[in-house]
Amino acid sequence: AQKVTQAQTEISVVEKEDVTLDCVYETRDTTYYLFWYKQPPSGELVFLIRRNSFDEQNEISGRYSWNFQKSTSSFNFTITASQVVDSAVYFCALSEGEGTTDSWGKLQFGAGTQVVVTP
Amino acid sequence: GAVVSQHPSRVICKSGTSVKIECRSLDFQATTMFWYRQFPKQSLMLMATSNEGSKATYEQGVEKDKFLINHASLTLSTLTVTSAHPEDSSFYICSARGMGGANYGYTFGSGTRLTVV
Repeated sequence: AQKVTQAQTEISVVEKEDVTLDCVYETRDTTYYLFWYKQPPSGELVFLIRRNSFDEQNEISGRYSWNFQKSTSSFNFTITASQVVDSAVYFCALSEGEGTTDSWGKLQFGAGTQVVVTP
Repeated sequence: GAVVSQHPSRVICKSGTSVKIECRSLDFQATTMFWYRQFPKQSLMLMATSNEGSKATYEQGVEKDKFLINHASLTLSTLTVTSAHPEDSSFYICSARGMGGANYGYTFGSGTRLTVV
């Protein structure tokens, strides 16, 4: 069963517009981690954020912000005032368990959302 | 800290040959390394988990005899694609988990783009 759902396949915006990427996850574990990664055309995965299941505080880092809501199992990502350099595929991922379990560090990725920012 | 190095970044090989990909943890000891595969325009899928000094655990549908994983030291894991065929052409990427939870597996190598011709 799909554990991480990114329903948006592609989002196109004009520079300076805001863009929000949705991520819905599914897990029975009480301890888990959620991640967002950026994958530019060159292919490498750029780590953006890691959030544990016990910390529901929203986070802001520059133009990036994240909204974590356990009640709806969502971990959405917003890019404010988008720029052309933000064009990439963005992945949401889930890691279940904690430090002593075999699954620790094993990531399950969503399908990814392609963001296209045009000048 | 928590740097993972992966080589080569790109490789082209002939059908039927084998290719070895290396994944190194540079500043921590990786007790576990994870190998993922990404086909074009698709997501990343876990192929296998390798633990230092023991056999790798493969995900369902991944041929262990085709994708040989060796994790002989706490800083190096290798993935060998044996008798490669064009359908093995993909992006392979690793991550690592260290002792005491170091790096929780969230830093990845830079990936290897394999093209089999």
